[in-house]
Amino acid sequence: DVKVTQSSRYLVKRTGEKVFLECVQDMDHENMFWYRQDPGLGLRLIYFSYDVKMKEKGDIPEGYSVSREKKERFSLILESASTNQTSMYLCASSLGQGVTQYFGPGTRLTVL
Amino acid sequence: GDSVTQMEGPVTLSEEAFLTINCTYTATGYPSLFWYVQYPGEGLQLLLKATKADDKGSNKGFEATYRKETTSFHLEKGSVQVSDSAVYFCALRGVDTGRRALTFGSGTRLQVQP
Repeated sequence: DVKVTQSSRYLVKRTGEKVFLECVQDMDHENMFWYRQDPGLGLRLIYFSYDVKMKEKGDIPEGYSVSREKKERFSLILESASTNQTSMYLCASSLGQGVTQYFGPGTRLTVL
Repeated sequence: GDSVTQMEGPVTLSEEAFLTINCTYTATGYPSLFWYVQYPGEGLQLLLKATKADDKGSNKGFEATYRKETTSFHLEKGSVQVSDSAVYFCALRGVDTGRRALTFGSGTRLQVQP
């Protein structure tokens, strides 16, 4: 089975802090994704990566950056956290041109 | 651009009732269609999928048929259980191979009462 893990289930940070969210997958998938989930809005794509060191902006990249130094790991970075970034963050991975995405358990981030 | 519209919740049913959650989409060509389920406190799990018109996806008693003529992918289950209480997301993967991400609907919360 594909396993996608995220470094924290719950995280509380203060406004202005730099925040790192880590995601690791164990199935050698080329593609990795970061979404945020908000009530009534579903999931929205922040960034995705289709290879090591490659990244593409999604629909809502403002205020975020990403890093993919190794194939199995995809990090989401909030350079200066703000209260409107309080949300559930979900990481996913998929194989090449495969259509099915596999999700991690999510990180619920609260920015005070 | 691509979009997915699903019925607003919450949907509240009694155990053993019939479930329908409506999902319609807007996309060019023939996208792949998915239903994901999110149980309380967990991430999303793939429930079922269909990759071409008239395909029926099924899993755990849930079914959905890809209807190109009505651009729909409605989720159905004949007899729901309390354990089916969760949030259900309809999603699509468009034909643009450069965009490998999914486009999601807003989610529908299902509450099943004993």
